[in-house]
Amino acid sequence: SQQGEEDPQALSIQEGENATMNCSYKTSINNLQWYRQNSGRGLVHLILIRSNEREKHSGRLRVTLDTSKKSSSLLITASRAADTASYFCATDVGSNYQLIWGAGTKLIIKP
Amino acid sequence: SQTIHQWPATLVQPVGSPLSLECTVEGTSNPNLYWYRQAAGRGLQLLFYSVGIGQISSEVPQNLSASRPQDRQFILSSKKLLLSDSGFYLCAWSSKGSGNTIYFGEGSWLTVV
Repeated sequence: SQQGEEDPQALSIQEGENATMNCSYKTSINNLQWYRQNSGRGLVHLILIRSNEREKHSGRLRVTLDTSKKSSSLLITASRAADTASYFCATDVGSNYQLIWGAGTKLIIKP
Repeated sequence: SQTIHQWPATLVQPVGSPLSLECTVEGTSNPNLYWYRQAAGRGLQLLFYSVGIGQISSEVPQNLSASRPQDRQFILSSKKLLLSDSGFYLCAWSSKGSGNTIYFGEGSWLTVV
């Protein structure tokens, strides 16, 4: 069953602007991960944030986690055309070596 | 470094025909292995996962099966494909221990006609 729900489902912004995507989940987690998928390709891991962390950075990416609200956000600063992709959050709830996946946010960066 | 190979990249199969998708991982040992399916514009559905040779767990009852004949080889099969089996199939691996990063292959596009 789907635990993560990304919001918005689709986002279109101008190159250079910041893009923010949100993920909500339902149960307690060990960690939350964000992945990127270019059209027709496999997914690529971007960043992992543990349940005891509140914020994490990697290059132009900033992830926040609010366990009290059961939500996370992914911020991409100074977007580029190459950031056009679908972005998925996945939560580790500690069972069966599985991650629980959301349906993704489709991000389009307009030149 | 670790790499994952998945093939074929695309295939078109008639209804009722068999299926075999293969996946191999290099540069690591005793990985967890996964088969996911992704419908167009949708999230990922876990089909099978394996924590060791011959150990397969199925998450979704269906006419697909998986096998792990070697430590770093994972195969997805079907004896008779259905139209509903069309989709994008992704093989993936992770290190032992739940919650580790998952590394994906490039995927296989299956169209059942």
